[in-house]
Amino acid sequence: GIQVEQSPPDLILQEGANSTLRCNFSDSVNNLQWFHQNPWGQLINLFYIPSGTKQNGRLSATTVATERYSLLYISSSQTTDSGVYFCAVVPRGKLYYGGSQGNLIFGKGTKLSVKP
Amino acid sequence: NAGVTQTPKFRVLKTGQSMTLLCAQDMNHEYMYWYRQDPGMGLRLIHYSVGEGTTAKGEVPDGYNVSRLKKQNFLLGLESAAPSQTSVYFCASSSGGAKNIQYFGAGTRLSVL
Repeated sequence: GIQVEQSPPDLILQEGANSTLRCNFSDSVNNLQWFHQNPWGQLINLFYIPSGTKQNGRLSATTVATERYSLLYISSSQTTDSGVYFCAVVPRGKLYYGGSQGNLIFGKGTKLSVKP
Repeated sequence: NAGVTQTPKFRVLKTGQSMTLLCAQDMNHEYMYWYRQDPGMGLRLIHYSVGEGTTAKGEVPDGYNVSRLKKQNFLLGLESAAPSQTSVYFCASSSGGAKNIQYFGAGTRLSVL
């Protein structure tokens, strides 16, 4: 099956610094999402971005589908950005319903710690 | 609008005991999911449902059963808990479609001794 690899596994930043998180995937995808899990465990969807670039405040994401990677940029980091960032994909050509194919496959995440 | 609510938030079981985790959503979503998250791992899909009365196996279904008798509720059952089922369990729901944005509950931390 498809492999989803995130890097770096851990990242420590000083407040105000910028960072780039990477997600590599081993096969073509028709759905890619970024999630943030805060230190209390709550998971929030950040972006749906199977291709192209999107921005939401200090966060932006770019997916280069032809090269099978996605990047999440965090600018002017704040302590509230701490947590784990997950990339999740659905392999291309897999129907959403029927079997386990088509469901989101999660990477292992990047744990971000922003120090004040 | 509560979104996705999971009960209980914490539970400790002894090996062999049974329990049911409840997930309720108030967004009228067709699709619901149960995931488990283990240390250093991403989320892995246990079971999912594409509508009331339907269920399907995910990546790691063994040892779990589910039911979706009502559209708003998705139950996850452990008939005979094992220490390997110690994990954090997340429920999610979505309206499906191409984007299929999933909305997650706060999680249930389960320890099996």
